[in-house]
Amino acid sequence: QKEVEQNSGPLSVPEGAIASLNCTYSDRGSQSFFWYRQYSGKSPELIMSIYSNGDKEDGRFTAQLNKASQYVSLLIRDSQPSDSATYLCAVRNTGGFKTIFGAGTRLFVKA
Amino acid sequence: DVKVTQSSRYLVKRTGEKVFLECVQDMDHENMFWYRQDPGLGLRLIYFSYDVKMKEKGDIPEGYSVSREKKERFSLILESASTNQTSMYLCASIPGLATYEQYFGPGTRLTVT
Repeated sequence: QKEVEQNSGPLSVPEGAIASLNCTYSDRGSQSFFWYRQYSGKSPELIMSIYSNGDKEDGRFTAQLNKASQYVSLLIRDSQPSDSATYLCAVRNTGGFKTIFGAGTRLFVKA
Repeated sequence: DVKVTQSSRYLVKRTGEKVFLECVQDMDHENMFWYRQDPGLGLRLIYFSYDVKMKEKGDIPEGYSVSREKKERFSLILESASTNQTSMYLCASIPGLATYEQYFGPGTRLTVT
């Protein structure tokens, strides 16, 4: 079992719709959770970080964390073509600096 | 604004060559990382360093070594490049606290022929 699992996609949504990206992780000691966006040929850039159960909203983005289910998600509201990218889920455990990345989900937003 | 720079965006080397990839960060971060990224495999940690002259192996250290002589600079060395080391190499850094996100450099696309 991979330590951080994501559906590779591609996930295709129409412009203006909600895109829902999901991630599960295996280490129950994980404490820090991150979503990165990566455009083709570019390096990852941070979208959201979340550390406690529940929802965290930032503009059109909402991160959701459920530690009991070992599940973290990212919702993108009012999706735009510029949101088309690969989204990486990343998880870090307590007291450590080692971050485990999922393989990423490719998102296409159709105009 | 944190800046992580890498010495080359694109690099082409021959099999057996010694290759140096340089990474520099300007925010006094203690921790620096080298990853490689391959399609379908995501980012895989090669080595990391939590202080000057300190290094720890990541998940795939074979065929690589690192050097950290100064806090701001972390070098990845391919002692004898092989074709299976063709990849995108990403450097990252974080400050001392574990909750901070990683800041990535622009990446180096290395092709070994």
